[in-house]
Amino acid sequence: EPEVTQTPSHQVTQMGQEVILRCVPISNHLYFYWYRQILGQKVEFLVSFYNNEISEKSEIFDDQFSVERPDGSNFTLKIRSTKLEDSAMYFCASLRTYQETQYFGPGTRLLVL
Amino acid sequence: AQTVTQSQPEMSVQEAETVTLSCTYDTSENNYYLFWYKQPPSRQMILVIRQEAYKQQNATENRFSVNFQKAAKSFSLKISDSQLGDTAMYFCAFMKLSGGGNKLTFGTGTQLKVEL
Repeated sequence: EPEVTQTPSHQVTQMGQEVILRCVPISNHLYFYWYRQILGQKVEFLVSFYNNEISEKSEIFDDQFSVERPDGSNFTLKIRSTKLEDSAMYFCASLRTYQETQYFGPGTRLLVL
Repeated sequence: AQTVTQSQPEMSVQEAETVTLSCTYDTSENNYYLFWYKQPPSRQMILVIRQEAYKQQNATENRFSVNFQKAAKSFSLKISDSQLGDTAMYFCAFMKLSGGGNKLTFGTGTQLKVEL
């Protein structure tokens, strides 16, 4: 069964460093998402991406964040200058059509020191 | 904006028993989906069940079923014949249907523990 994959599974970085989290959505899916989950809290929406542009973003998704689909298969989330409070689990999800179900990747656990 | 409320932070159930997890939501939308996702200790998000708001029939998926009350904006999950592998955090989620976006709005979760 096709699945969403994410790399790396864990990343440790120093405050102020740039990180890029990578996702490979299911191949025939058209809508892509990033969510984050701070430890012990609920899952929060960051951004949605469709037709090579952002379709919606949350208040969390400020100028430090950007997304890209560089090659038609990967979907990346970049954090330009990480803060301690960016430490969280980051989930990628994809959706084939807007009437279907989002499938999640296994997540990237980011720790900012 | 949509909100999703899960009022039970923790629940426990004996193996083979039945347990019901509660979820309420608030929305002015008429066309939406509701989901239950399971998050085991690995923290993977796993879809349990989906309910389309336009369907009156409650969704079922093997041992999992929902009680969807649209007027009351209530969406509970019933797990029958609970198994140790059901131990996980369970999140209720709302998704409005639109041409783009379609973000999920999650509740705060219920930690379910299945005991011997």
